[in-house]
Amino acid sequence: DQQVKQNSPSLSVQEGRISILNCDYTNSMFDYFLWYKKYPAEGPTFLISISSIKDKNEDGRFTVFLNKSAKHLSLHIVPSQPGDSAVYFCAASEEGANSKLTFGKGITLSVRP
Amino acid sequence: NAGVMQNPRHLVRRRGQEARLRCSPMKGHSHVYWYRQLPEEGLKFMVYLQKENIIDESGMPKERFSAEFPKEGPSILRIQQVVRGDSAAYFCASSPNDRGSGYTFGSGTRLTVV
Repeated sequence: DQQVKQNSPSLSVQEGRISILNCDYTNSMFDYFLWYKKYPAEGPTFLISISSIKDKNEDGRFTVFLNKSAKHLSLHIVPSQPGDSAVYFCAASEEGANSKLTFGKGITLSVRP
Repeated sequence: NAGVMQNPRHLVRRRGQEARLRCSPMKGHSHVYWYRQLPEEGLKFMVYLQKENIIDESGMPKERFSAEFPKEGPSILRIQQVVRGDSAAYFCASSPNDRGSGYTFGSGTRLTVV
């Protein structure tokens, strides 16, 4: 039972354009959402997070939007850079669940020069 | 200020052997988590430990797998009698608190069972 779904396995965008990575979840108890970036042969690196009491969080080129009613979140990267090419994982946690994270399968982003 | 250190980076074991994966958390971090990533999958939670205590092992397979985080030394994930299906990347993360935003992941141990 996949509680966090990243339905598109890959995305290719032109350098300088916007990258939009989508994530859906089914567990209504999730109250905290995170995006991680992963390069090959490395561990995931925390990128940005959002609490369920917010609908938007911005950090430089990265913005995460949360639509609780649709159980959907998205990560926007503007402008996209070749160094952003990586696998992006969406993750979620429940309050009081000892912070264990439930991850999606990841999206491979390729930014073309 | 070293990050989360995992060793070995690569481990090859024959079926039936034991695998020991080590994780040294970041300095000052007392919460350790182990995750497993199977091919083409996301990371799956296995176990959450604090010093000398297993807090949540709901993601651990019932048999052959165990984890510890002793008072001194690294956290150890131990897999006995490995099978081909155990081949995966095993990631350790540490945190200063019990919320996921504080996670720092190690580079992982890639276990191959032949």
